[in-house]
Amino acid sequence: EIVLTQSPATLSLSPGEKATLSCRASQNVCIDLAWFQQKPGQPPRLLIYATYNRATGIPARFIGSGSGTDFTLTINSLQPEDYAVYYCQQRCDWPRTFGQGTKVEIK
Amino acid sequence: EAQLVESGGGLVQPGGSLRLSCAASGFSFSDNSINWVRQAPGKGLEWLSLINSDSSRIYYEDSVRGRFTVSRDNAKNSVSLQMNNLRVEDTAVYYCTTGSFVSWGQGTLVTVS
Repeated sequence: EIVLTQSPATLSLSPGEKATLSCRASQNVCIDLAWFQQKPGQPPRLLIYATYNRATGIPARFIGSGSGTDFTLTINSLQPEDYAVYYCQQRCDWPRTFGQGTKVEIK
Repeated sequence: EAQLVESGGGLVQPGGSLRLSCAASGFSFSDNSINWVRQAPGKGLEWLSLINSDSSRIYYEDSVRGRFTVSRDNAKNSVSLQMNNLRVEDTAVYYCTTGSFVSWGQGTLVTVS
């Protein structure tokens, strides 16, 4: 199975700063890499699909990029509502797998 | 707007069984695959299973294959997850989500203890 390793585990940033979240795959993956945001007590919300496509209603400050084994979610100018846990997910192979998550917390 | 509502969670003893349901509305259910994803308390997300639109393709994660069975009834817009031989480590919130992972239910808590 494809193992996704996210780093860092926790990111402490102030509002307005840029967040850079990494997702590294154990083998080359196809373009079908997604990112989710999850807040406490809520189900995950799809942010990015197919590496760089924003889901409906997702603000332009969320930018996905990458290829091969290295993928990045960039959040430009953090807003108060962006503090959450973020997961990457690959849909290239079975089983579908998620990374372990990166928590973005207020500094 | 797509809506998914899970039900059937609860407390069960190790070795026991539980059947979860996922009721769908607001979209063309019979044209969509459905996934099950779970999240243990304080932990990350774990994909469990996918059933395609006509049940001709079903996939499972290794740790649940042979114990969990997914099925669907397109006439009733529902998907079921039959969970047998439950283990303590199956304790989690179980979500159903559309094939594209765009729409999610609120989840149902399964506690094995």
